[in-house]
Amino acid sequence: KAGVTQTPRYLIKTRGQQVTLSCSPISGHRSVSWYQQTPGQGLQFLFEYFSETQRNKGNFPGRFSGRQFSNSRSEMNVSTLELGDSALYLCASRVTRTGGNTGELFFGEGSRLTVL
Amino acid sequence: AQSVSQHNHHVILSEAASLELGCNYSYGGTVNLFWYVQYPGQHLQLLLKYFSGDPLVKGIKGFEAEFIKSKFSFNLRKPSVQWSDTAEYFCAVSGGYQKVTFGTGTKLQVIP
Repeated sequence: KAGVTQTPRYLIKTRGQQVTLSCSPISGHRSVSWYQQTPGQGLQFLFEYFSETQRNKGNFPGRFSGRQFSNSRSEMNVSTLELGDSALYLCASRVTRTGGNTGELFFGEGSRLTVL
Repeated sequence: AQSVSQHNHHVILSEAASLELGCNYSYGGTVNLFWYVQYPGQHLQLLLKYFSGDPLVKGIKGFEAEFIKSKFSFNLRKPSVQWSDTAEYFCAVSGGYQKVTFGTGTKLQVIP
């Protein structure tokens, strides 16, 4: 079974630009979550999508947005990039079991964004 | 709101020493608990998880964790660490359909 795939792996942008990151979950996983990882801050939750609907949302500004397609693939977009947006952006997928108990997250290798 | 605290930010041990990494969480309902590991240059992977049942959970590579509900803790242990255990370790919590919340991580350095 293929793992979580994120593209691109590395990218460099300048302040004010916008960026779109893509994530393909493990086949059969309908939930996709996005995290921002920076040194000392750990993993900060951005949002989670399930069946094309945003199910959970973190405390990031509106410049950060996402969506999920019918095939469960997800994209996140950051507009008007700032220097502080430089980070590793991680995507993770998981199954959702009956009874409200979700499974563990499976992570991709991440997209490393550098904002100059 | 759920939260996770990892009190040890950086731990240095010699090979064969015992390891215990602390994790405390805050959540009012039934919790799912996880420990993830990130080896240098690799993606995050699951070490072990607790959903229900036996509070002593065994994971990969000889790691185990104990869920103590009264203390809201889920500490990670290994009796004898190896140089290959050098990595960053993250504790995480979620409840039901809630998001998975991570701690800030503990960097473990094992000296040969």
